[in-house]
Amino acid sequence: GAVVSQHPSRVICKSGTSVKIECRSLDFQATTMFWYRQFPKQSLMLMATSNEGSKATYEQGVEKDKFLINHASLTLSTLTVTSAHPEDSSFYICSAKVPDTQYFGPGTRLTVL
Amino acid sequence: AQSVTQLGSHVSVSEGALVLLRCNYSSSVPPYLFWYVQYPNQGLQLLLKYTTGATLVKGINGFEAEFKKSETSFHLTKPSAHMSDAAEYFCAVSTMGAQKLVFGQGTRLTINP
Repeated sequence: GAVVSQHPSRVICKSGTSVKIECRSLDFQATTMFWYRQFPKQSLMLMATSNEGSKATYEQGVEKDKFLINHASLTLSTLTVTSAHPEDSSFYICSAKVPDTQYFGPGTRLTVL
Repeated sequence: AQSVTQLGSHVSVSEGALVLLRCNYSSSVPPYLFWYVQYPNQGLQLLLKYTTGATLVKGINGFEAEFKKSETSFHLTKPSAHMSDAAEYFCAVSTMGAQKLVFGQGTRLTINP
């Protein structure tokens, strides 16, 4: 149980385009999901908290207009990187919360050329 | 505010030897503590967690950790290392409900044949 999927696992796009990443809880419902960013050989940095049916809460320093989050159902949250630039290249990981624990997806490697 | 310190960014042990990964935390409220493992280019997998109750927690793959409040520690151990244990390990702390995880910087575990 408690499986979280992400799609796509890897994406390459041109600078200026937008990219959408999906995060799904496969066998449970999650009112709260989280989006993290991880730079090479570093720890995870929380970007935002996504609550089903309401606006996401962004961490300080994260541009809400660049990283659009939608949590339209209890099993799906999406992260859209708008007008992507090379500095947005990173590993993006989502998690879904059940009482007391977060379960993580496999991550999405974004490369912006 | 909560914080986590993982002592040793890189730990190397021989196959069959004891694995000890150190984690100290800071929290003004009773903490929830977690160990996650990350294999290359993958998401995080929950190894074990402490919320309340028994301070010695057993997890998957033969790992265990002991919550020591007086030492503010939650060190991860495994009696006998296996080659498949080579990965990055993250300690994390949260308040009740795992609403927001604070991660340590991670420890890379290398297993020597």
